[in-house]
Amino acid sequence: GQQLNQSPQSMFIQEGEDVSMNCTSSSIFNTWLWYKQEPGEGPVLLIALYKAGELTSNGRLTAQFGITRKDSFLNISASIPSDVGIYFCAGVNTDKLIFGTGTRLQVFP
Amino acid sequence: EAQVTQNPRYLITVTGKKLTVTCSQNMNHEYMSWYRQDPGLGLRQIYYSMNVEVTDKGDVPEGYKVSRKEKRNFPLILESPSPNQTSLYFCASSLSLRVEYEQYFGPGTRLTVT
Repeated sequence: GQQLNQSPQSMFIQEGEDVSMNCTSSSIFNTWLWYKQEPGEGPVLLIALYKAGELTSNGRLTAQFGITRKDSFLNISASIPSDVGIYFCAGVNTDKLIFGTGTRLQVFP
Repeated sequence: EAQVTQNPRYLITVTGKKLTVTCSQNMNHEYMSWYRQDPGLGLRQIYYSMNVEVTDKGDVPEGYKVSRKEKRNFPLILESPSPNQTSLYFCASSLSLRVEYEQYFGPGTRLTVT
């Protein structure tokens, strides 16, 4: 089945640093979603994007829906230890949700 | 409290021994689905259900069965488990098929097939 390419695969950063990750596809999507998964739990929705070019924020998180509709970006500003987890992008195409491979984020104090 | 529950949370079994992982939601959601999560592959959809008695295959349905006899329950059945089905499984539900509605995920079931 189709999957989205997410990069980087993992990041090890110091508390206070900004983080950027992205998700790319060969297909066009109508909606982009970003999820966070903490150890031992299921993914939780962070941000949803519905329009090409859209930029949406949720606290220290900002995500963008790429103009080509084939990519999306997530930025986390001033990272803190509780940002640790795996971040997944997901694209929506005709009501089918396709997940990226995930970016594992580790934050050191 | 609105939630999706899965049981068991952990399961170790042997090849060929039928098993069922239960999933239940208390939000009156129409849409439910099962995913498996494997390292480096993200989440892949196994089966989904748009409503009672309506189910359809996702991306990786081989070796799995589901049923939706009641709105709140969506069990995942492995008739003859094999080692390649060792994985972390998530059940999810949402208000409707339109995925703009947030999907709520269960806590996961870690299955090991030896």
